[in-house]
Amino acid sequence: DAKTTQPPSMDCAEGRAANLPCNHSTISGNEYVYWYRQIHSQGPQYIIHGLKNNETNEMASLIITEDRKSSTLILPHATLRDTAVYYCIVRERNFGGAQKLVFGQGTRLTINP
Amino acid sequence: EAQVTQNPRYLITVTGKKLTVTCSQNMNHEYMSWYRQDPGLGLRQIYYSMNVEVTDKGDVPEGYKVSRKEKRNFPLILESPSPNQTSLYFCASKKQGAQNTEAFFGQGTRLTVV
Repeated sequence: DAKTTQPPSMDCAEGRAANLPCNHSTISGNEYVYWYRQIHSQGPQYIIHGLKNNETNEMASLIITEDRKSSTLILPHATLRDTAVYYCIVRERNFGGAQKLVFGQGTRLTINP
Repeated sequence: EAQVTQNPRYLITVTGKKLTVTCSQNMNHEYMSWYRQDPGLGLRQIYYSMNVEVTDKGDVPEGYKVSRKEKRNFPLILESPSPNQTSLYFCASKKQGAQNTEAFFGQGTRLTVV
């Protein structure tokens, strides 16, 4: 699996959009970008994933650059409950074998009132 | 409600006393796995199972056993726990074979071995 680089921490004001960047410059053509978050030692929670097109769901938007070497997770109206560690993960489309998710250190996002 | 249930949530035990952490999922997922999370080391995969009676080692399997006799259950067994197995443990499941599916995680089991 390709490695990712994320800032260790970020702050955002409540009600504002939180933009979390992720670099994955060694991503290969068949690897997807996934985002999970972990709220204070709870189990990681899936947010969104994408291959090359931008994606949006009820939780967030995912913007992937055209060269796919980086992406941004956008929480459009951050709330205090969005305070968590956010993990950007890239992994192969083929789901054979270990299928493990390789969690890096993630970005600790703090939403301030 | 789709969920992965782990028990117990918290456990303090003594070195050498065998224990089992249970994991059950209600989504009919083929794939299940166990992770441990330690400060500074992130989440590391211990064991995984691609279906009933099919299990394999992850990155840190030493000191652990698993079994998959039924699709819904994937218990983690520590035959002789040691203090270095003090950790936060997560069970996860996902559908096997689908193109891109999310993994569902349990709420975690915080284990302390003294």
